[in-house]
Amino acid sequence: EAGVAQSPRYKIIEKRQSVAFWCNPISGHATLYWYQQILGQGPKLLIQFQNNGVVDDSQLPKDRFSAERLKGVDSTLKIQPAKLEDSAVYLCASSLEGTVLTDTQYFGPGTRLTVL
Amino acid sequence: AQSVAQPEDQVNVAEGNPLTVKCTYSVSGNPYLFWYVQYPNRGLQFLLKYITGDNLVKGSYGFEAEFNKSQTSFHLKKPSALVSDSALYFCAVRDMIGGFKTIFGAGTRLFVKA
Repeated sequence: EAGVAQSPRYKIIEKRQSVAFWCNPISGHATLYWYQQILGQGPKLLIQFQNNGVVDDSQLPKDRFSAERLKGVDSTLKIQPAKLEDSAVYLCASSLEGTVLTDTQYFGPGTRLTVL
Repeated sequence: AQSVAQPEDQVNVAEGNPLTVKCTYSVSGNPYLFWYVQYPNRGLQFLLKYITGDNLVKGSYGFEAEFNKSQTSFHLKKPSALVSDSALYFCAVRDMIGGFKTIFGAGTRLFVKA
């Protein structure tokens, strides 16, 4: 079974530039998550999709971050404009049914973003 | 509010010795607890989870975790550590009061010396 795919793996940009990350979840998984992992910290949920609807985006900085999951499969996370504090690893995860508390999340390899 | 604490930034253990990585949590409802491991330049990998029932949960790679409700703890254990177990370990919690959001601890780096 193929895992969660993410691209690119690494990205370096200057502040105020824009950047986009792509994620393809495990086939058949209804729930898709985007996390931000700052160095030395645990992952923090940015947004959670159930199929193509948003379940939770309470921690997404909506003035600069946006995400979409068209057709309920792959997803794109965008930052525009980027700030220095956005430097982090962006992790995508998927699960069969995220509205079940016991559901297990499967993570992609992440995209390491450096903002200069 | 939900929270997870991993009180040790790093745990050092000799190969062949038992290891423990500590985790305590705070939730309003019944907790659902998870352990994940992260190797360099890779995403998190699921190790095990506690749902209900037996307080000792067995997971991947010989790891197990003990749920203690009175101490609100979910410590990760392994009877005999391997050098290849060296990695970053994350404890996580969900509960119904907090919605379906998963809260992760800050992580504990495990170093196993040969």
